[in-house]
Amino acid sequence: DTAVSQTPKYLVTQMGNDKSIKCEQNLGHDTMYWYKQDSKKFLKIMFSYNNKELIINETVPNRFSPKSPDKAHLNLHINSLELGDSAVYFCASSSRTSGMYEQYFGPGTRLTVT
Amino acid sequence: AQSVTQPDIHITVSEGASLELRCNYSYGATPYLFWYVQSPGQGLQLLLKYFSGDTLVQGIKGFEAEFKRSQSSFNLRKPSVHWSDAAEYFCAVGVRTAGNKLTFGGGTRVLVKP
Repeated sequence: DTAVSQTPKYLVTQMGNDKSIKCEQNLGHDTMYWYKQDSKKFLKIMFSYNNKELIINETVPNRFSPKSPDKAHLNLHINSLELGDSAVYFCASSSRTSGMYEQYFGPGTRLTVT
Repeated sequence: AQSVTQPDIHITVSEGASLELRCNYSYGATPYLFWYVQSPGQGLQLLLKYFSGDTLVQGIKGFEAEFKRSQSSFNLRKPSVHWSDAAEYFCAVGVRTAGNKLTFGGGTRVLVKP
């Protein structure tokens, strides 16, 4: 059983397009996150949702919009894709209510914008 | 704001030799500290964590880390490296009051020589 899953694993698209990445966790966690890993492997938080409520919104272009239909899912929609959006996007989850602060990561989605 | 520094970008170690990866953090209070490992093309796997208590923590795959408050360090060690330990290692600090977001260091790439 995959704990945190992401689809698609690879996404190749052209500049200006709109795309979505989906994330699902079956760990029963109440908090989910999106991180971006750039070409130099640097990881940075983008967003976090706790029980469908946005709690972290870092300095991210408003072309990026997260959506959490329920606490097991957190999707990332990106409008008007740019070359600089090429990166690996990781979803993660944790359980704040149980005091488990460690985060469990999905396998990542490699986005390539041409 | 918290920050994490991993001074070594690359480390090459012979199989069977010991490994130590350095991590220094900056944060005003006692942070939550983590080590993650990322194998090529994979997501991040949690190796170990420190929240409180015993400053020497044991993790998976034979890894351990020691929290030293006086040095603001959380170094990762393994007594005998296996070829499968070749990967990228990330140290991270979690801040509960900041939505539990993780701030990562830049990572250390470990190469294992036969």
